[in-house]
Amino acid sequence: ETGVTQTPRHLVMGMTNKKSLKCEQHLGHNAMYWYKQSAKKPLELMFVYNFKEQTENNSVPSRFSPECPNSSHLFLHLHTLQPEDSALYLCASSQGQGPTEAFFGQGTRLTVV
Amino acid sequence: QKEVEQDPGPLSVPEGAIVSLNCTYSNSAFQYFMWYRQYSRKGPELLMYTYSSGNKEDGRFTAQVDKSSKYISLFIRDSQPSDSATYLCAAPGYGGATNKLIFGTGTLLAVQP
Repeated sequence: ETGVTQTPRHLVMGMTNKKSLKCEQHLGHNAMYWYKQSAKKPLELMFVYNFKEQTENNSVPSRFSPECPNSSHLFLHLHTLQPEDSALYLCASSQGQGPTEAFFGQGTRLTVV
Repeated sequence: QKEVEQDPGPLSVPEGAIVSLNCTYSNSAFQYFMWYRQYSRKGPELLMYTYSSGNKEDGRFTAQVDKSSKYISLFIRDSQPSDSATYLCAAPGYGGATNKLIFGTGTLLAVQP
């Protein structure tokens, strides 16, 4: 298994749908992240989990709801999204709480119609 | 002002050229800088990092930091078509007990054969 795996790779959903993004890391890391990547914009950090505990919510709208059941799995639950939420959602993991290398998954390309 | 700024490009060069990719940053507390490479439809992967001013070399890649001008650069010698990707500079943000990376927008590089 590769380091950080995200499913699905592509997702198209209506504004009234509920869907979930899944991330799994096989690196033994204790920190996991959700980032949003939109065209022509920097990667935006959304959420940080350290040892399953959420330590950062970067003013993300409540229509995005993260869940971290254990140090290896991270979910992003989506509901009543807007078209401007269409983007590449990247999961990452790292070891430790200091500045360390983040390993990224391949991302989920989300389109909200 | 964005904490890390980067020209989005695109930058197109012929094979074999020397490529210079640049970022500026505003927070003088940053002491650690990273370059990530992101191929199309992939997540970012760490290419190089450097802790302090000066140069760091790894094969055809050289990372340079000038703290006096808050300027970071990535040089690619003998560029290859396989170097075509988006290059993102990043610095770890500080504050609280979390680790997070602050990214530039990324520069899209195309190396023409």
